[in-house]
Amino acid sequence: DTAVSQTPKYLVTQMGNDKSIKCEQNLGHDTMYWYKQDSKKFLKIMFSYNNKELIINETVPNRFSPKSPDKAHLNLHINSLELGDSAVYFCASSQGAKNIQYFGAGTRLSVL
Amino acid sequence: AQTVTQSQPEMSVQEAETVTLSCTYDTSESDYYLFWYKQPPSRQMILVIRQEAYKQQNATENRFSVNFQKAAKSFSLKISDSQLGDAAMYFCAYRSSGTYKYIFGTGTRLKVLA
Repeated sequence: DTAVSQTPKYLVTQMGNDKSIKCEQNLGHDTMYWYKQDSKKFLKIMFSYNNKELIINETVPNRFSPKSPDKAHLNLHINSLELGDSAVYFCASSQGAKNIQYFGAGTRLSVL
Repeated sequence: AQTVTQSQPEMSVQEAETVTLSCTYDTSESDYYLFWYKQPPSRQMILVIRQEAYKQQNATENRFSVNFQKAAKSFSLKISDSQLGDAAMYFCAYRSSGTYKYIFGTGTRLKVLA
């Protein structure tokens, strides 16, 4: 069983569309994260939720909105997609701050 | 603010040889964690090794070991007996104790030559 799973793996869409990426973890962790990896492979945190509460919100456009319906799920919704949003988005989870983060396989978003 | 620097964009190593990947970081804190993650072409981020700053002993995981120099703020990864499957991007990461936020370096692409 995959510990942290993201869907879809690939997402190709037109500028201006709205899209969502889903993430689920079956590790029983209480903290989940979204990262963005750009074309130069730079990995930067976007959001983090702990027990469904937002605890990290980096400087990210308002078009990005995370939603955590329960502590096993953290979805990322993106409105009015722009070319610069093209990247690989990673979901991760951990049990508290002290423990290591486990990553999903990433979602490659291509905005045309 | 904390920063993580990987000064080697790309490295090559012959199969069965040893290679060392460099990482330096900047922080004013004394309690933190350091990590090396591997990202193969499959994109999956895999934890290779973790070091706790308060531990002087260098972490080791099979063929992977670190050289942690706290005063110099250096955290290099040594891969012994390199294998073709070690070819990947390697990321150094920092996390302050008690926080959830990881800060990643820009990565080093490792090529393993047969």
